[in-house]
Amino acid sequence: GAVVSQHPSWVICKSGTSVKIECRSLDFQATTMFWYRQFPKQSLMLMATSNEGSKATYEQGVEKDKFLINHASLTLSTLTVTSAHPEDSSFYICSAPGTSGSEQYFGPGTRLTVT
Amino acid sequence: GENVEQHPSTLSVQEGDSAVIKCTYSDSASNYFPWYKQELGKRPQLIIDIRSNVGEKKDQRIAVTLNKTAKHFSLHITETQPEDSAVYFCAASMGNFNKFYFGSGTKLNVKP
Repeated sequence: GAVVSQHPSWVICKSGTSVKIECRSLDFQATTMFWYRQFPKQSLMLMATSNEGSKATYEQGVEKDKFLINHASLTLSTLTVTSAHPEDSSFYICSAPGTSGSEQYFGPGTRLTVT
Repeated sequence: GENVEQHPSTLSVQEGDSAVIKCTYSDSASNYFPWYKQELGKRPQLIIDIRSNVGEKKDQRIAVTLNKTAKHFSLHITETQPEDSAVYFCAASMGNFNKFYFGSGTKLNVKP
């Protein structure tokens, strides 16, 4: 149980275009999901908290108009990178808390490359 | 907000030796401390966790200790094997569906 999936697993896009990444909890409901970004050889940096039925909460320094988050249902959150630039190239990972509220289950990640 | 520091950034040990990774946290409200193993290009995998009402937890070759007073916790891996080579992250959270604050990571290299 407690499986989180992401789609796509990798994507290449041109500078200036937008990319949508999906995060799904497959066998449990998640009113909260988290989006992280990880640059090579660095730690996971929390970008935002996705809340079902309300606006996402963004971490300091993360542009909410550039990284659009929509928590459409209890099993789906999406992250849209708008007007992508090469510096947005990174590994994006989502997670969802388990039923205890403590542990988090991570998606497999999405490798975004902006050319 | 919470600040989690992790040391060392890299650790190289001989197969069979023990490895210790240490983390400190700043917010006394944090009560859940997981450790993750991440292989290149893959998702973090939970290897062990500890809650603030426990001082030590062990699972086969892996153990975690927590000192609430000093606000630090450590990961201990005994009898290391080459397959233990990966990047390890500690994290702290206040639980209750709250966000994680991650340490900077430790790259462990176990030499055969």
